Amino acid sequence: EVQLVESGGGLVQPGRSLRLSCAASGFTFGDYAMHWVRQAPGKGLEWVSGITWKSGRIDYADSVKGRFTISRDNAKNSLYLQMSSLRAEDTALYYCAKDSMVAAPPGVGYFDYWGQGTLVTVSS
Amino acid sequence: SYVLTQPPSVSVAPGKTARITCGGNNIGSQGVHWYQQKPGQAPVLVISYDSDRPSGIPERFSGSNSGNTATLTISRVEAGDEADYYCQVWDSSGDHYVFGTGTKVTVL
Repeated sequence: EVQLVESGGGLVQPGRSLRLSCAASGFTFGDYAMHWVRQAPGKGLEWVSGITWKSGRIDYADSVKGRFTISRDNAKNSLYLQMSSLRAEDTALYYCAKDSMVAAPPGVGYFDYWGQGTLVTVSS
Repeated sequence: SYVLTQPPSVSVAPGKTARITCGGNNIGSQGVHWYQQKPGQAPVLVISYDSDRPSGIPERFSGSNSGNTATLTISRVEAGDEADYYCQVWDSSGDHYVFGTGTKVTVL
């Protein structure tokens, strides 16, 4: 059974940093691209960042480019999101999501499994 | 940037058909995926690549895509179908994944 468990969320002041983690199990983690998707309270879904299976290609939403860094450790079956210079508008539930296609470039697959999310609140 | 527009809400009586549109420039040339999100839960894929239904998704869910509009159709609507629905594509011009604005389906 595929499981994605996010952690690392919490309350943080504007301008500070936070690191999210996603622990994956139930599939060969190193074979799939992984993504972060967020949802502000009462709002829709927003893709944040994606990383291909061997970290050869990384993409970011314009809203986080230059402030967030996605990474992965295939040996530890883990995905990370380092968030810096946080703003109030970054307040959201952050989901880790698995790509559906093995060893595929961006855009080929869809998000076939999602975690339950970790809440990030940016406030003074 | 590429924009996907959905109606904010759709209301439908039990047993009837709900149609949720997703509008985007020449969206018919892309693969569209649809997700269902119930309150307090993570999204779940209901349709991939315009019209493919994942295992475990009822046949009542179907999709189509042509021109500037993709459509998710829910036939014989049940109370359990009440949820938010999002379309999603890959914007190759911006190297971004894009979600639609979302549609809340209410079963009357």
